[in-house]
Amino acid sequence: DAKTTQPTSMDCAEGRAANLPCNHSTISGNEYVYWYRQIHSQGPQYIIHGLKNNETNEMASLIITEDRKSSTLILPHATLRDTAVYYCISVGTYKYIFGTGTRLKVLA
Amino acid sequence: SAVISQKPSRDICQRGTSLTIQCQVDSQVTMMFWYRQQPGQSLTLIATANQGSEATYESGFVIDKFPISRPNLTFSTLTVSNMSPEDSSIYLCSVLSGSGGVYFGPGTRLLVL
Repeated sequence: DAKTTQPTSMDCAEGRAANLPCNHSTISGNEYVYWYRQIHSQGPQYIIHGLKNNETNEMASLIITEDRKSSTLILPHATLRDTAVYYCISVGTYKYIFGTGTRLKVLA
Repeated sequence: SAVISQKPSRDICQRGTSLTIQCQVDSQVTMMFWYRQQPGQSLTLIATANQGSEATYESGFVIDKFPISRPNLTFSTLTVSNMSPEDSSIYLCSVLSGSGGVYFGPGTRLLVL
């Protein structure tokens, strides 16, 4: 599975959009991009995934660049409860290789 | 999505002993996985639990230390054997759902003294 890189930490004001970038420049054609978050040592929570098209669900939007080398997770209106570590993973075989993730802190 | 439960939720154990962690899923799933998350670290895959056959272990993990059972499509156990303080971690079970997503259990917090 390809490796992903993410910024170590980010801050976001409550009510604003949180844009979390992920670089997956070595992703292969059949690998999906998955996003998870982990709140205070709970089990990781699935957020969204995509292959090459942009995706949206009730939690977030996922924007994948045309060359698929990077993506951005968008939380449209961040709340304090969105404070968590966010993991971007490129997946081809369901063997998830977790990086260090981005620690998002939503500020009141 | 799948609903996953783990037992125990947490435990404190003495070095040299063993602990068996149970993972129960509310639906039949083909693939189950066990992860470890050491303090302040990211998640590391220990093994894939295969129904009806031996688990497939990742580099750095061996069956003698982390024996795994998968007796049916909704249940798996992970045993942490001959524990040392370095085994203090959160152990997480995850499953591959029919929709293609992987879902995680709440984790078992283990402290070895």
